[in-house]
Amino acid sequence: GDSVTQMEGPVTLSEEAFLTINCTYTATGYPSLFWYVQYPGEGLQLLLKATKADDKGSNKGFEATYRKETTSFHLEKGSVQVSDSAVYFCALSDRERAGSYQLTFGKGTKLSVIP
Amino acid sequence: DSGVTQTPKHLITATGQRVTLRCSPRSGDLSVYWYQQSLDQGLQFLIQYYNGEERAKGNILERFSAQQFPDLHSELNLSSLELGDSALYFCASSPQGGGGAQEQYFGPGTRLTVT
Repeated sequence: GDSVTQMEGPVTLSEEAFLTINCTYTATGYPSLFWYVQYPGEGLQLLLKATKADDKGSNKGFEATYRKETTSFHLEKGSVQVSDSAVYFCALSDRERAGSYQLTFGKGTKLSVIP
Repeated sequence: DSGVTQTPKHLITATGQRVTLRCSPRSGDLSVYWYQQSLDQGLQFLIQYYNGEERAKGNILERFSAQQFPDLHSELNLSSLELGDSALYFCASSPQGGGGAQEQYFGPGTRLTVT
């Protein structure tokens, strides 16, 4: 079945450092890919998405490019802020296979940014 | 605020008991998804309803059931509770009216503690 693997955390960075969180996926169809963010005590919020190969999703300075050849969707940000501290989840949706837009999530990566 | 509401926020109950979690989707959204977030299993899809009908099932135990009512709110029923059912339960909604990636909007979750 479908699966998502993302780098283990926790990740601790200094403010203004460069962020990369790796995410790779396994899917039989042509999934849509997502990054969700979960701030402490809150639900998940969609950060960005990409629906086909070579699409780049971007939001709030975060970017990720859908790479079909490497089955990857790595999250990057050029300069992190303390307010970016959260747990980040990579996810896919493979409606053709599943008949539904249900999300398959990675295990999450906790990011802590220190001043 | 995603527009998805969940009640209650916290629930503490004993093993063997039954509880009901409630979710109200965003106005106009026809699809409701239920997810379970636990430390050992991560975020897992449980079940989806679309306009009152079950659309997809994931890793949902037989002791768990759900339904979606004519006003589109949904309830997740958990019975014969075990310690391992302690988790955060999220509801998400999406319009699912057309093609492409269907964003899901998550509620704040219900934290269930089974003692």
